[in-house]
Amino acid sequence: DAEITQSPRHKITETGRQVTLACHQTWNHNNMFWYRQDLGHGLRLIHYSYGVQDTNKGEVSDGYSVSRSNTEDLPLTLESAASSQTSVYFCASSLGRGRVGETQYFGPGTRLLVL
Amino acid sequence: KNQVEQSPQSLIILEGKNCTLQCNYTVSPFSNLRWYKQDTGRGPVSLTIMTFSENTKSNGRYTATLDADTKQSSLHITASQLSDSASYICVVSLQAGANNLFFGTGTRLTVIP
Repeated sequence: DAEITQSPRHKITETGRQVTLACHQTWNHNNMFWYRQDLGHGLRLIHYSYGVQDTNKGEVSDGYSVSRSNTEDLPLTLESAASSQTSVYFCASSLGRGRVGETQYFGPGTRLLVL
Repeated sequence: KNQVEQSPQSLIILEGKNCTLQCNYTVSPFSNLRWYKQDTGRGPVSLTIMTFSENTKSNGRYTATLDADTKQSSLHITASQLSDSASYICVVSLQAGANNLFFGTGTRLTVIP
């Protein structure tokens, strides 16, 4: 069955370290997204991609980067982890055929703790 | 400012009872509104989607309503089950762009036996 996976599911790191969170989808979706979820906030968009070699900044992109070298993967990199980046991170994908507000399918999330 | 507000923040109900969750939004121009269910430790899963012209949509025991004039939506859960315990998130889309989603902070529902 097609799916979207994230790894690792849990990560503890130290301030200043570079961290990469993986996201892999097998639906052949064009669009992929990274969100963070914190208490008291709705899901907030970090970065998104509409296809291979395309990346765009979202609402809270400072300190994060992404690259899209193939359709299936959109890794999220924290260049120098900060305690403020402790959060739960969700990857999502959508078909991407130009339809507005199409359904996004979410991964299971990665819980990141920055000490 | 485009915003989505949900109420209540949390709710506890007895198994078998009904409940209604509320969503008010100021997103404009509006495209569609979705309700997502998020189980603990999992990603959100879409329950219903409604466009401007639809005022009700059902998915099993879940019924969503939309009043586009007052910019309000509700999610009604009938005959609640323990498995309904989750966060329910209201998400509103702008008319343009695949990334133009606005998320509410969710209502945490706990169903107790």
